[in-house]
Amino acid sequence: SQQGEEDPQALSIQEGENATMNCSYKTSINNLQWYRQNSGRGLVHLILIRSNEREKHSGRLRVTLDTSKKSSSLLITASRAADTASYFCATDLNDYKLSFGAGTTVTVRA
Amino acid sequence: NAGVTQTPKFQVLKTGQSMTLQCAQDMNHEYMSWYRQDPGMGLRLIHYSVGAGITDQGEVPNGYNVSRSTTEDFPLRLLSAAPSQTSVYFCASSSWTGQGSTEAFFGQGTRLTVV
Repeated sequence: SQQGEEDPQALSIQEGENATMNCSYKTSINNLQWYRQNSGRGLVHLILIRSNEREKHSGRLRVTLDTSKKSSSLLITASRAADTASYFCATDLNDYKLSFGAGTTVTVRA
Repeated sequence: NAGVTQTPKFQVLKTGQSMTLQCAQDMNHEYMSWYRQDPGMGLRLIHYSVGAGITDQGEVPNGYNVSRSTTEDFPLRLLSAAPSQTSVYFCASSSWTGQGSTEAFFGQGTRLTVV
C-alpha cells in the first residue's frame, strides 16, 4: 500500500496566486521529498526535507514537515503557467524504498 | 551527462510476449529502481537494487524480473506480457547516505501497451 497521500487530488488557481498541497504518511520516515511531473514526462526532484527539519525553502517553494502529525505541505508562491503539473510526495522509510503518493494535479490559469 | 536513460519510449506488445525495458545511469548511483504509473495511483515500486548483484522486490513485483550486473544498468524484464501490465514505466536512480535517500533522478518513461 502507498505510504503517502496527497490532498487535494486536484487544484485550479489563477496565475499569481499561491498553491498549497498536503501530504500525509503513516510511519516514521528518514526524509520526505517532493517531485513535479509535467504531462507525459519523468519526475523532477523539487525539495528534500529531513525528519529533523521543520521547514525548507527553495525559490518560490516552501515545504513544512510535522512529524508529530505525520504530514507535510508544499506551498508554491506567485504561481505561473509553467507550474501546471502534478506534484508528488515521496517518503523514505529507511528500507531502501521511496514510496510515492497518488499526487496533486495543479492547473494554473492565465 | 545524460542522467537516466530509458529505452524504448513506446512499445506495443501482444499478450504472452516478453520484452526487456532498458535503463542506464551515468551518475555512479548505487541505488536503482523501477516504478509503474497508472492513472490515479501514483507510482508503485516494482523492483529495486542497492548495488550490483543485489536486487529486491517492491510493492508489485509479479510478472517482472530484474538483474543488476553493473552499477550503470538495471533492465526490467516482462516474462509473459498481460493487459494488466499496460502502464507507464519509470526507472530511477539515487544515492543513499546515513540519513537516507538523496534526490532521485528519473528517466523519461516507457509507455507500454499490451493488447
